[in-house]
Amino acid sequence: DAGVIQSPRHEVTEMGQEVTLRCKPISGHDYLFWYRQTMMRGLELLIYFNNNVPIDDSGMPEDRFSAKMPNASFSTLKIQPSEPRDSAVYFCASGRGLHEQYFGPGTRLTVT
Amino acid sequence: EDKVVQSPLSLVVHEGDTVTLNCSYEVTNFRSLLWYKQEKKAPTFLFMLTSSGIEKKSGRLSSILDKKELFSILNITATQTGDSAVYLCAVEGHTISNFGNEKLTFGTGTRLTIIP
Repeated sequence: DAGVIQSPRHEVTEMGQEVTLRCKPISGHDYLFWYRQTMMRGLELLIYFNNNVPIDDSGMPEDRFSAKMPNASFSTLKIQPSEPRDSAVYFCASGRGLHEQYFGPGTRLTVT
Repeated sequence: EDKVVQSPLSLVVHEGDTVTLNCSYEVTNFRSLLWYKQEKKAPTFLFMLTSSGIEKKSGRLSSILDKKELFSILNITATQTGDSAVYLCAVEGHTISNFGNEKLTFGTGTRLTIIP
Protein backbone atom coordinates (compact mmCIF):
# COMPACT_ATOMS: atom_id res chain seq x y z
CA ASP A 1 0.00 0.00 0.00
CA ALA A 2 1.25 3.51 -0.82
CA GLY A 3 0.25 4.90 2.56
CA VAL A 4 -1.73 8.09 3.06
CA ILE A 5 -1.35 10.37 0.06
CA GLN A 6 -1.63 14.14 0.34
CA SER A 7 -1.52 16.80 -2.31
CA PRO A 8 -0.12 19.27 -2.92
CA ARG A 9 3.03 18.83 -0.85
CA HIS A 10 3.69 22.57 -0.86
CA GLU A 11 1.29 25.43 -1.48
CA VAL A 12 2.09 29.13 -1.55
CA THR A 13 -0.85 31.46 -1.99
CA GLU A 14 -1.85 35.03 -1.41
CA MET A 15 -4.13 36.17 1.38
CA GLY A 16 -7.78 35.96 0.39
CA GLN A 17 -7.38 33.07 -2.02
CA GLU A 18 -9.13 29.75 -1.62
CA VAL A 19 -6.94 26.79 -0.71
CA THR A 20 -7.91 23.14 -1.12
CA LEU A 21 -5.86 20.35 0.40
CA ARG A 22 -6.46 16.77 -0.65
CA CYS A 23 -6.05 13.41 1.03
CA LYS A 24 -6.36 9.78 0.01
CA PRO A 25 -6.46 7.47 3.04
CA ILE A 26 -5.12 3.94 3.25
CA SER A 27 -7.61 1.49 1.78
CA GLY A 28 -9.67 -0.24 4.45
CA HIS A 29 -9.23 2.47 7.08
CA ASP A 30 -12.57 3.87 8.16
CA TYR A 31 -11.25 6.83 10.15
CA LEU A 32 -9.73 9.93 8.57
CA PHE A 33 -8.19 12.85 10.43
CA TRP A 34 -7.05 16.35 9.52
CA TYR A 35 -4.36 18.01 11.65
CA ARG A 36 -2.55 21.33 11.63
CA GLN A 37 0.96 21.76 13.01
CA THR A 38 2.68 25.04 13.87
CA MET A 39 5.63 25.92 16.05
CA MET A 40 3.41 27.95 18.36
CA ARG A 41 0.53 25.53 18.86
CA GLY A 42 2.05 22.15 18.07
CA LEU A 43 -0.10 19.46 16.50
CA GLU A 44 -3.84 20.14 16.61
CA LEU A 45 -6.65 17.83 15.54
CA LEU A 46 -9.02 19.83 13.32
CA ILE A 47 -11.67 17.28 12.38
CA TYR A 48 -12.12 13.57 11.96
CA PHE A 49 -14.46 11.33 9.99
CA ASN A 50 -15.72 7.82 10.60
CA ASN A 51 -17.17 6.02 7.59
CA ASN A 52 -17.16 9.33 5.68
CA VAL A 53 -19.25 11.09 8.36
CA PRO A 54 -17.73 14.02 10.31
CA ILE A 55 -17.65 13.02 13.98
CA ASP A 56 -15.88 15.86 15.74
CA ASP A 57 -15.09 19.20 14.13
CA SER A 58 -14.54 21.10 17.36
CA GLY A 59 -10.91 21.68 16.40
CA MET A 60 -11.78 23.59 13.23
CA PRO A 61 -10.59 27.11 13.97
CA GLU A 62 -13.38 29.07 12.30
CA ASP A 63 -15.94 29.12 9.51
CA ARG A 64 -13.29 29.77 6.90
CA PHE A 65 -12.29 26.12 7.30
CA SER A 66 -14.40 23.28 5.92
CA ALA A 67 -13.75 19.58 5.30
CA LYS A 68 -15.55 16.99 3.25
CA MET A 69 -15.28 13.29 2.66
CA PRO A 70 -17.46 12.41 -0.33
CA ASN A 71 -16.30 8.78 -0.35
CA ALA A 72 -14.05 6.35 1.49
CA SER A 73 -11.01 7.14 -0.61
CA PHE A 74 -10.95 10.93 -0.72
CA SER A 75 -11.18 13.95 1.56
CA THR A 76 -10.59 17.67 1.19
CA LEU A 77 -9.81 20.47 3.61
CA LYS A 78 -10.70 23.90 2.26
CA ILE A 79 -9.77 27.33 3.56
CA GLN A 80 -11.69 30.25 2.10
CA PRO A 81 -10.54 32.99 2.33
CA SER A 82 -7.01 32.13 3.46
CA GLU A 83 -5.06 34.34 5.87
CA PRO A 84 -1.33 34.50 6.75
CA ARG A 85 -2.02 32.95 10.17
CA ASP A 86 -3.22 29.80 8.39
CA SER A 87 0.36 29.10 7.35
CA ALA A 88 1.23 25.68 8.78
CA VAL A 89 1.81 22.06 7.87
CA TYR A 90 -1.47 20.23 7.42
CA PHE A 91 -1.43 16.49 7.98
CA CYS A 92 -4.00 13.93 6.99
CA ALA A 93 -4.02 10.59 8.81
CA SER A 94 -6.09 7.43 8.55
CA GLY A 95 -6.64 4.43 10.76
CA ARG A 96 -9.07 1.97 12.24
CA GLY A 97 -9.58 4.13 15.34
CA LEU A 98 -8.10 7.16 17.07
CA HIS A 99 -5.07 5.10 17.95
CA GLU A 100 -2.48 3.74 15.53
CA GLN A 101 -3.07 6.45 13.01
CA TYR A 102 -0.93 6.51 9.91
CA PHE A 103 0.05 10.00 8.88
CA GLY A 104 0.52 11.33 5.39
CA PRO A 105 3.59 13.39 4.44
CA GLY A 106 1.79 16.68 5.05
CA THR A 107 1.11 19.80 3.00
CA ARG A 108 3.18 22.85 3.85
CA LEU A 109 0.93 25.88 3.34
CA THR A 110 2.31 29.40 3.16
CA VAL A 111 -0.12 32.29 2.89
CA THR A 112 1.51 35.61 2.05
CA GLU B 1 -10.82 21.61 28.43
CA ASP B 2 -8.54 18.61 27.92
CA LYS B 3 -4.85 19.31 28.45
CA VAL B 4 -1.61 17.43 27.76
CA VAL B 5 1.70 18.78 29.08
CA GLN B 6 5.05 17.34 28.07
CA SER B 7 8.39 17.92 29.73
CA PRO B 8 11.08 18.79 29.17
CA LEU B 9 10.40 20.87 26.08
CA SER B 10 13.88 20.13 24.81
CA LEU B 11 16.62 17.69 25.79
CA VAL B 12 20.19 17.27 24.53
CA VAL B 13 22.19 14.20 25.57
CA HIS B 14 25.15 12.21 24.39
CA GLU B 15 24.86 8.96 22.48
CA GLY B 16 24.56 6.05 24.88
CA ASP B 17 22.75 8.00 27.58
CA THR B 18 19.32 7.01 28.87
CA VAL B 19 16.49 9.55 28.69
CA THR B 20 13.07 9.83 30.28
CA LEU B 21 10.36 11.93 28.69
CA ASN B 22 7.29 12.95 30.67
CA CYS B 23 3.66 13.44 29.76
CA SER B 24 0.96 14.59 32.20
CA TYR B 25 -2.67 15.02 31.28
CA GLU B 26 -6.11 16.18 32.29
CA VAL B 27 -8.82 14.65 30.15
CA THR B 28 -12.51 13.89 30.34
CA ASN B 29 -13.27 10.18 30.33
CA PHE B 30 -9.77 8.92 29.61
CA ARG B 31 -9.52 6.09 27.14
CA SER B 32 -5.87 5.78 26.08
CA LEU B 33 -2.52 7.55 25.89
CA LEU B 34 -0.43 7.45 22.74
CA TRP B 35 3.22 8.18 22.03
CA TYR B 36 4.47 9.25 18.59
CA LYS B 37 7.92 9.97 17.17
CA GLN B 38 8.21 12.80 14.66
CA GLU B 39 11.43 13.17 12.73
CA LYS B 40 11.55 15.45 9.72
CA LYS B 41 8.05 14.84 8.54
CA ALA B 42 4.94 13.02 9.75
CA PRO B 43 4.55 11.44 13.20
CA THR B 44 4.90 7.67 13.48
CA PHE B 45 3.10 5.64 16.11
CA LEU B 46 5.12 4.16 19.00
CA PHE B 47 2.84 2.97 21.81
CA MET B 48 -0.72 2.93 23.01
CA LEU B 49 -1.28 2.66 26.76
CA THR B 50 -4.61 1.99 28.40
CA SER B 51 -3.83 0.32 31.74
CA SER B 52 -1.79 1.54 34.67
CA GLY B 53 1.47 -0.14 35.55
CA ILE B 54 1.82 -2.30 32.45
CA GLU B 55 5.02 -1.50 30.61
CA LYS B 56 5.01 -1.47 26.83
CA LYS B 57 8.40 -2.21 25.29
CA SER B 58 9.84 -2.03 21.81
CA GLY B 59 13.59 -2.50 21.57
CA ARG B 60 15.28 0.29 23.51
CA LEU B 61 12.03 2.18 24.00
CA SER B 62 9.58 1.55 26.80
CA SER B 63 6.62 3.36 28.26
CA ILE B 64 4.36 3.11 31.27
CA LEU B 65 1.16 4.80 32.38
CA ASP B 66 -0.01 5.92 35.82
CA LYS B 67 -3.76 6.60 35.68
CA LYS B 68 -3.92 7.60 39.32
CA GLU B 69 -1.30 10.34 39.02
CA LEU B 70 -2.30 11.09 35.40
CA PHE B 71 1.05 10.77 33.70
CA SER B 72 3.14 8.60 31.45
CA ILE B 73 6.87 8.30 30.82
CA LEU B 74 8.75 7.25 27.72
CA ASN B 75 12.21 5.79 28.34
CA ILE B 76 14.91 5.40 25.74
CA THR B 77 18.02 3.47 26.78
CA ALA B 78 21.42 3.46 25.03
CA THR B 79 20.34 6.38 22.85
CA GLN B 80 21.52 6.65 19.25
CA THR B 81 21.64 9.59 16.86
CA GLY B 82 18.65 8.10 15.05
CA ASP B 83 16.57 8.71 18.16
CA SER B 84 16.82 12.45 17.59
CA ALA B 85 13.25 13.60 16.99
CA VAL B 86 10.26 15.30 18.54
CA TYR B 87 8.32 12.89 20.75
CA LEU B 88 4.61 13.60 20.95
CA CYS B 89 2.20 12.44 23.61
CA ALA B 90 -1.55 12.37 22.88
CA VAL B 91 -4.49 11.44 25.05
CA GLU B 92 -7.75 9.99 23.84
CA GLY B 93 -10.89 10.81 25.76
CA HIS B 94 -14.61 11.00 25.25
CA THR B 95 -16.35 14.31 24.83
CA ILE B 96 -19.53 13.18 26.56
CA SER B 97 -20.02 10.93 29.54
CA ASN B 98 -21.89 8.17 27.75
CA PHE B 99 -18.75 7.42 25.78
CA GLY B 100 -19.86 8.97 22.57
CA ASN B 101 -17.53 11.12 20.54
CA GLU B 102 -13.84 10.38 20.97
CA LYS B 103 -11.40 13.24 21.19
CA LEU B 104 -7.62 13.30 20.79
CA THR B 105 -5.45 16.00 22.37
CA PHE B 106 -1.72 16.34 21.66
CA GLY B 107 1.03 17.81 23.79
CA THR B 108 3.50 20.20 22.17
CA GLY B 109 6.21 17.57 22.20
CA THR B 110 9.72 17.09 23.57
CA ARG B 111 12.55 17.77 21.13
CA LEU B 112 15.29 15.21 21.77
CA THR B 113 18.75 15.73 20.30
CA ILE B 114 21.38 13.02 20.56
CA ILE B 115 24.98 14.19 20.17
CA PRO B 116 27.36 11.61 18.70
